[in-house]
Amino acid sequence: QVQLVESGGGLVKPGGSLRLSCAASGFTFSDYYMSWIRQAPGRGLEWVSYISDGGTIIYYADSVKGRFTISRDNAKKSLSLQMNSLRAEDSAVYYCARGPYGSGSYQFHWGQGTLVTVST
Amino acid sequence: QSALTQPASVSGSPGQSITISCTGTSSDVGAYNYVSWYQQHPGKAPKLMVYDVTNRPSGVSNRFSGSKSGNTASLTISGLQAEDEADYYCTSYTPNGTPFVIFGGGTKLTVL
Repeated sequence: QVQLVESGGGLVKPGGSLRLSCAASGFTFSDYYMSWIRQAPGRGLEWVSYISDGGTIIYYADSVKGRFTISRDNAKKSLSLQMNSLRAEDSAVYYCARGPYGSGSYQFHWGQGTLVTVST
Repeated sequence: QSALTQPASVSGSPGQSITISCTGTSSDVGAYNYVSWYQQHPGKAPKLMVYDVTNRPSGVSNRFSGSKSGNTASLTISGLQAEDEADYYCTSYTPNGTPFVIFGGGTKLTVL
């Protein structure tokens, strides 16, 4: 079955950096777009970034553009998010998700999430 | 990109049926059968409940069903159970630029 395991979250000071990782298993990783989606406490789901199956198409939400970098390694079945110049408003649970597209279908399968807290 | 519109909250008693709406436009929800629904319990990750408007993944209860009329998709939960109390989110494909999938704002379902 589809498994996505995130790591790398934690407490960081404003202006600091974190690197999130996501290890995938249970499906053909190279056939799917992969995404990072976040959820601040008490809020809804918010786009952060996605990357196409081959890595050639990348999207960033305006709120993170220029500060975050998404990447993937299809050989290692892994997804990463480098987060720089972090702000308090970046505090959220960050979900790694398979999707929004792959194998002819528009849907997400989600990891368990990793908490990022930006605070002094 | 505009978000899809969902009611902030709905409620129902055990055994009843409820419906959660998800309103888009003639360019997204109305034009394509690529609406999905996700259930999220507190402190947990979202879980896919319905995809492509009407399809249920393996293992999802048949009490959950999806439909669409015009620019509005709906998730109906029949025989409401206490465990159904959660937040529900819809998504839809959109051809209008990036991102090409948009989210609804979420609906809190309370089982009375």
